[in-house]
Amino acid sequence: RKEVEQDPGPFNVPEGATVAFNCTYSNSASQSFFWYRQDCRKEPKLLMSVYSSGNEDGRFTAQLNRASQYISLLIRDSKLSDSATYLCVVIWSNSGYALNFGKGTSLLVTP
Amino acid sequence: NAGVTQTPKFRVLKTGQSMTLLCAQDMNHEYMYWYRQDPGMGLRLIHYSVGEGTTAKGEVPDGYNVSRLKKQNFLLGLESAAPSQTSVYFCASGRSSYQPQHFGDGTRLSIL
Repeated sequence: RKEVEQDPGPFNVPEGATVAFNCTYSNSASQSFFWYRQDCRKEPKLLMSVYSSGNEDGRFTAQLNRASQYISLLIRDSKLSDSATYLCVVIWSNSGYALNFGKGTSLLVTP
Repeated sequence: NAGVTQTPKFRVLKTGQSMTLLCAQDMNHEYMYWYRQDPGMGLRLIHYSVGEGTTAKGEVPDGYNVSRLKKQNFLLGLESAAPSQTSVYFCASGRSSYQPQHFGDGTRLSIL
């Protein structure tokens, strides 16, 4: 079983739509959670951290459900510039070293 | 405001050649990482370092060596390049193992 799983998509949505992605993780000792954004042929960039109480940053809302072991990302009022791959990242306390990346969910926002 | 800098940006090698990829960070981060990214495979950790003078193996270390002689630099070496090592290589650094990582803009390596 994959450690961090995401639906690869692609999610095709019209401008202005609301879209949500989920990510499941297998290790209950998971400690920290992040969403990264990666544009085509570019490096991953931190979009936002995910806190236990949920958190919002403008049009983006992240949620964590420890009981069901998943995190989510909600994007409201999608913009063309939101088109990218969104990577779910999980750190678990016994990994010792590194972020555990999902393979990403591809989003395409169309006019 | 450099952050994480990778050199070179692009390189084409012949099978059997050797080369070194350089990663430099100016954020005084203790942790540094080398990843490779291949289509359909996501990011995979090659080697990492938790401080100057230390290195450790990640998920896919075979065929690569690393060194961290200075805190700000992390070198990735290919001793005898193979076509299977054609990939995009990303370096990253972080303040601790629980903190988000900052990535360089990648090295695109093709091995013929």
